[in-house]
Amino acid sequence: AQSVTQPDIHITVSEGASLELRCNYSYGATPYLFWYVQSPGQGLQLLLKYFSGDTLVQGIKGFEAEFKRSQSSFNLRKPSVHWSDAAEYFCAVGALGSTLGRLYFGRGTQLTVWP
Amino acid sequence: GAVVSQHPSWVICKSGTSVKIECRSLDFQATTMFWYRQFPKQSLMLMATSNEGSKATYEQGVEKDKFLINHASLTLSTLTVTSAHPEDSSFYICSARPEVAYEQYFGPGTRLTVT
Repeated sequence: AQSVTQPDIHITVSEGASLELRCNYSYGATPYLFWYVQSPGQGLQLLLKYFSGDTLVQGIKGFEAEFKRSQSSFNLRKPSVHWSDAAEYFCAVGALGSTLGRLYFGRGTQLTVWP
Repeated sequence: GAVVSQHPSWVICKSGTSVKIECRSLDFQATTMFWYRQFPKQSLMLMATSNEGSKATYEQGVEKDKFLINHASLTLSTLTVTSAHPEDSSFYICSARPEVAYEQYFGPGTRLTVT
């Protein structure tokens, strides 16, 4: 069965520190992977996506993620966090070839940034 | 690009009445649109998937007669909550998938409060 695990419910980092948010997935088909960010009371914004090719993908706002097939992981990273990065982050997985394009979401990781 | 709007952004209605929420893709055509429900501090729960011109596919446990979905065009989908009750109060988010893409673009959400 398909599933996405974000093991960290809440992460706190100091502004300027590096960040890594973990995401593990379980999917029977060839996956495509996403990271979305949600600010309070808002919809989700796409940070980055991986379909194929280079396993290190760059996204908006200085974020990057690395796909590791052997570990079924797609961790999100940022070298230096800004206070405006405080938000909820969701990892999602879908299947290439899926006609409907349904995504499966993790439960989210809440990021708090200390000044 | 890839902007999705939702209207209204918030609505308060009385128990027993119906509420319609609109979801529009503003600068692309959406083969498929999705409706989610999100409870506080939780991930997104997929309610239904809709394709233009065909009946929506509802997730298990979602009442089709209560949550009516219409996907009238490639840029518009509507969710009608019929005979609303206080337990229907929630944050409803739509997303749209472009015709030649796998990612979903999300609307800003609608906060529904049923009194």
